[in-house]
Amino acid sequence: AAGVIQSPRHLIKEKRETATLKCYPIPRHDTVYWYQQGPGQDPQFLISFYEKMQSDKGSIPDRFSAQQFSDYHSELNMSSLELGDSALYFCASSLAGSLGETQYFGPGTRLLVL
Amino acid sequence: GDSVTQMEGPVTLSEEAFLTINCTYTATGYPSLFWYVQYPGEGLQLLLKATKADDKGSNKGFEATYRKETTSFHLEKGSVQVSDSAVYFCALSDQSVRTDKLIFGTGTRLQVFP
Repeated sequence: AAGVIQSPRHLIKEKRETATLKCYPIPRHDTVYWYQQGPGQDPQFLISFYEKMQSDKGSIPDRFSAQQFSDYHSELNMSSLELGDSALYFCASSLAGSLGETQYFGPGTRLLVL
Repeated sequence: GDSVTQMEGPVTLSEEAFLTINCTYTATGYPSLFWYVQYPGEGLQLLLKATKADDKGSNKGFEATYRKETTSFHLEKGSVQVSDSAVYFCALSDQSVRTDKLIFGTGTRLQVFP
């Protein structure tokens, strides 16, 4: 079965650079979530989209922005990168319907800021 | 706000031992509860879930029962294997809000030795 695809899988950037992370949800899923997992920490919710509209916002820095496109893929844009942005970034997708729908996670993008 | 509390790890067991990982939650609404597993270097995989009180989720020999009276969702397995070594995250999504963002516990590392 098709899973959530994230690219790139690994990314190395310098401080103050920009980065773009991409997420391709499971086909027919209409909701995308982004999470950030620091080293040894639990994943923290950043932002979510439903039908291309932002549906919820968590602890996402103002330096970050995201959007969901007409084909439902999503991109997380990160600017003015800081050392503390080094983390594993997960995308998850689900099919909106009854609440409590399962979120399926991608393999993550590991970002290292030097 | 909503939160999840997990027992701290690491939990170290011998193969075929009984496993319990405690998880309690605080939520204003009627949450759905999840256990996700993260193997080394990989993303998050749904292990099991329960969407209402007294539901029991089960998968691959793991079980957890949604106990509203004790606000708990403890993970159990009767006989662990070396291949179960991973980090286990308890999580909730709150059905009182529009989106199903997941709130995770801090994770419990399980190490199983032959």
